[in-house]
Amino acid sequence: DAGVTQSPTHLIKTRGQQVTLRCSPKSGHDTVSWYQQALGQGPQFIFQYYEEEERQRGNFPDRFSGHQFPNYSSELNVNALLLGDSALYLCASSSKIRDIFNEQFFGPGTRLTVL
Amino acid sequence: AQSVTQPDIHITVSEGASLELRCNYSYGATPYLFWYVQSPGQGLQLLLKYFSGDTLVQGIKGFEAEFKRSQSSFNLRKPSVHWSDAAEYFCAVVKEYGNKLVFGAGTILRVKS
Repeated sequence: DAGVTQSPTHLIKTRGQQVTLRCSPKSGHDTVSWYQQALGQGPQFIFQYYEEEERQRGNFPDRFSGHQFPNYSSELNVNALLLGDSALYLCASSSKIRDIFNEQFFGPGTRLTVL
Repeated sequence: AQSVTQPDIHITVSEGASLELRCNYSYGATPYLFWYVQSPGQGLQLLLKYFSGDTLVQGIKGFEAEFKRSQSSFNLRKPSVHWSDAAEYFCAVVKEYGNKLVFGAGTILRVKS
């Protein structure tokens, strides 16, 4: 059973560019959350998708957007990249059963470097 | 707002020695509490979690944690550390299970032989 997968593993972009990161949830999961982990810090919640809609959002600007597809996979898009967007981006998947979201399982992350 | 404090940025212990990593949280009600471990370049692996009931919870890899409501703490312990335990450890809190996790800044554990 494949766990949460993310692509690409590493990515280098320049300031002002746009980037798309991808996540496939664990089998049986329907909810995807995205986190940003800057160097030396704990992960920070960006947003969560369920039923192809953004359900919750953290304190991130509109440059950060996402999408969830009918197969539950998800994309994170970041526009107008800044140096400060350099970080490890983590995807976590979970399932909603009887109106309760369950434990989140994390992928290995995508390391984004902005030059 | 919920917050998590991990007072120790780095901790070094000798292999075979006991370990305690501290975690304090700020939240009005009893939260759901978690400890995760992250090896270099890797994602997060759940070590253990607390929801309710017995305040001493057992996790994987021989770790345990104790919830103390009076101290707003959820410290992680291991009786005998192995070199493979060297990693970064994160404490996290969530208001509702499966909701957004709020993480501490992490504690880097070094194990010396």
